[in-house]
Amino acid sequence: IVMTQSPATLSVSPGERATLSCRASQSVDGNLAWYQQSPGQPPRLLIYDASTRATGVPARFSGSGSGTDFTLTISSLQSEDFAVYYCQQSNNWPRTFGQGTKVEIK
Amino acid sequence: QLQLQQSGPGLVKPSETLSVTCSVSGASIIVPGYYWGWIRQSPGKGLEWIGNIYHTGSTYYNPSLKGRGTLSLDTSKNQFSLKVKSVTAADTAVYYCASGPTVARIVEFWGQGTPVTVSS
Repeated sequence: IVMTQSPATLSVSPGERATLSCRASQSVDGNLAWYQQSPGQPPRLLIYDASTRATGVPARFSGSGSGTDFTLTISSLQSEDFAVYYCQQSNNWPRTFGQGTKVEIK
Repeated sequence: QLQLQQSGPGLVKPSETLSVTCSVSGASIIVPGYYWGWIRQSPGKGLEWIGNIYHTGSTYYNPSLKGRGTLSLDTSKNQFSLKVKSVTAADTAVYYCASGPTVARIVEFWGQGTPVTVSS
């Protein structure tokens, strides 16, 4: 399954809302996760099952969607949120990731 | 809290075998509940799920490896390992060990990453 994320880069001012998209080439039901990666670090799990926040993830992160279209929303960007975000499907093998959306400071 | 610590050489010659190891603390690799896997990241291919192994020793390999990968458990050291044979420049990447709940739907725990370069 090919995961396609858009946009490739999102320029946002601190405090503003960011909306990231992920589309699957076929239905993955609700088996979709989101990860955040900062430079030099491994990815960090944010959201699983499309909309469930992982332990310790702030409430400003929310996920939605099912089937082929998914969204990650960051309600009010903080300085530590400027990073690259990846989606990953877990409905089929092999598990596959999107190519990432870089959220940068505007 | 489960923690993963990786080790392995950073430079491998073409046609040789890449070998990376992950030491687990906070859980036993022989107890059901987790999978033990490997993911790699390169500028060209992005994040790629390589494969995973369970406490029973059963394995899954990404077909993209074309049969070159071997996953194993070392229960005496609470470690798991990945070997990739006949490497080429296309295998150059940061290799992460990974773990999560048995169904392997998410990566809840990550190793720190091992940059591996394939070059003569």
